[in-house]
Amino acid sequence: GAGVSQTPSNKVTEKGKYVELRCDPISGHTALYWYRQSLGQGPEFLIYFQGTGAADDSGLPNDRFFAVRPEGSVSTLKIQRTERGDSAVYLCASSLLGSGASGELFFGEGSRLTVL
Amino acid sequence: GESVGLHLPTLSVQEGDNSIINCAYSNSASDYFIWYKQESGKGPQFIIDIRSNMDKRQGQRVTVLLNKTVKHLSLQIAATQPGDSAVYFCAENILGQNFVFGPGTRLSVLP
Repeated sequence: GAGVSQTPSNKVTEKGKYVELRCDPISGHTALYWYRQSLGQGPEFLIYFQGTGAADDSGLPNDRFFAVRPEGSVSTLKIQRTERGDSAVYLCASSLLGSGASGELFFGEGSRLTVL
Repeated sequence: GESVGLHLPTLSVQEGDNSIINCAYSNSASDYFIWYKQESGKGPQFIIDIRSNMDKRQGQRVTVLLNKTVKHLSLQIAATQPGDSAVYFCAENILGQNFVFGPGTRLSVLP
């Protein structure tokens, strides 16, 4: 498709389980961002990739969260030992040239994670 | 504005009136700003952007104003329509870094 694709759209898991969320950015976009959005709040930055490398991972809340982008395209956000507080919508966005160059972020529809 | 979190600041306007949504940004070094619209269950959608070397930019029915002196951004929507009902976020960016989003404002268009 032409836009940013995120799977799964909904994920329900139990506390303590491991989850993976996938993002397929717009073809040719070198920059990829992960954000987390809780109900009634703005997106909260998690991590930003430029190509294959994490240019800024300062938003990852703790070491249970990890993200990869091995080939500079698809990215996977991995959450270990999930906690109820991890419940949120996880948004992925891509950008053609990265922060401050082209600038505009194109967002996917998000993956809603519910931890029971 | 009102309390944030579960209770977003809400702006209610009559259909056909103009809307003004305000945003205070945090970092005086931010040099690029975007307004996003988010409808329920969807990802944020780009509306308009502005760089710090400008103080006004116009699009189709929308205008963004930037006041760097007081770190204030506004979005003006002309002739507001029911389809404009959504949550609106401003986002600020410093070259080479991530985007920081504001808490959002819910726009409700009354018939």
